[in-house]
Amino acid sequence: GENVEQHPSTLSVQEGDSAVIKCTYSDSASNYFPWYKQELGKRPQLIIDIRSNVGEKKDQRIAVTLNKTAKHFSLHITETQPEDSAVYFCAASRGQGAQKLVFGQGTRLTINP
Amino acid sequence: EAQVTQNPRYLITVTGKKLTVTCSQNMNHEYMSWYRQDPGLGLRQIYYSMNVEVTDKGDVPEGYKVSRKEKRNFPLILESPSPNQTSLYFCASSGPGLAQYEQYFGPGTRLTVT
Repeated sequence: GENVEQHPSTLSVQEGDSAVIKCTYSDSASNYFPWYKQELGKRPQLIIDIRSNVGEKKDQRIAVTLNKTAKHFSLHITETQPEDSAVYFCAASRGQGAQKLVFGQGTRLTINP
Repeated sequence: EAQVTQNPRYLITVTGKKLTVTCSQNMNHEYMSWYRQDPGLGLRQIYYSMNVEVTDKGDVPEGYKVSRKEKRNFPLILESPSPNQTSLYFCASSGPGLAQYEQYFGPGTRLTVT
């Protein structure tokens, strides 16, 4: 089955700098790649997603890139702010839409003022 | 207000005592899932349902049961809980068509089995 590896497990950056989180997946049939943000004690929330027919997607300060050949995708956060501090999860879907999601292990991002 | 609710939010129980965690959504969503979250392992899918009476196993179904008798409800049943099922559990739902791509998560249920 699908396996998703996420790196790094922890990331600390200065406020205003950029942060990059990377994920690799194993199943070439995966076609949907969402990113979730989970603040301390809260539920995961979708922040951005990309489908296999698109190479890059941007939403204000966050962007996701997908390399299907290499089977990896990345989350980029620019001009980081303290409220970006959270755990971020990547995921890949090997089925229909988000119904059969396999998640990465998570990255704890800390923004230092 | 569109939401996914779970009950109870916190539960401490003993090995072998059957329990049910309820999940309900008010968005008329077709799709519902259960996940468990453990440190260093991310979220792992337990079961999912594509509609009433249609369920399938996720990646870690052992020790769990589900049912989908009504569209809005998707309870998770632990027939004989064991300590390795101590975890944070999330229910999630999503809608039809392109809306299936966005999952709405419930607030979570923290379960401790002693």
